[in-house]
Amino acid sequence: EADIYQTPRYLVIGTGKKITLECSQTMGHDKMYWYQQDPGMELHLIHYSYGVNSTEKGDLSSESTVSRIRTEHFPLTLESARPSHTSQYLCASSEYGNMNTEAFFGQGTRLTVV
Amino acid sequence: AQKVTQAQTEISVVEKEDVTLDCVYETRDTTYYLFWYKQPPSGELVFLIRRNSFDEQNEISGRYSWNFQKSTSSFNFTITASQVVDSAVYFCALKGNNNNDMRFGAGTRLTVKP
Repeated sequence: EADIYQTPRYLVIGTGKKITLECSQTMGHDKMYWYQQDPGMELHLIHYSYGVNSTEKGDLSSESTVSRIRTEHFPLTLESARPSHTSQYLCASSEYGNMNTEAFFGQGTRLTVV
Repeated sequence: AQKVTQAQTEISVVEKEDVTLDCVYETRDTTYYLFWYKQPPSGELVFLIRRNSFDEQNEISGRYSWNFQKSTSSFNFTITASQVVDSAVYFCALKGNNNNDMRFGAGTRLTVKP
């Protein structure tokens, strides 16, 4: 069982609010990712990190930002939520430098902006 | 450029039928890894299998089997004697030399009816 946790699982919030989605892993993985997924659709990489103080943008442009102050923690922030941000957000982690390893996923946060 | 194509958007079968989920990939890397994940209705992604580009042996795990054919750039997944609990979205993914991210296909939604 993967040791990667996301909170909250579900969030309904009003337009214009600032939100932070939490992601923590206890596996000591350097590499962490955020994916955005509309229901039943493909996963789009929006952010990733190679380790502490490293953040990179993924393939899909996102208005969200991330930070990596500690190895185990990779929070995602939306400064001003909009209905277009409604989606599922999946956090993942993997070992860095070792291709022969899968990514471990959290349970996801389903965000609804009304 | 790396790309994963899962041409089957949705498949519906009756319990006990065999079903094959197709995955075709594109990469210029000589070394790469292929993965299958299962996403049940609860939303998390569950790792199923990893295969490296140098190992073309097919693999069987219980009712699951995988057929990797480098000549056709395919990594197909077969479920034998399907069960209702197999109903989920299945994602094929590719990780190449650059180790930047895992590229996912669009997913195939499998529905197994009793």
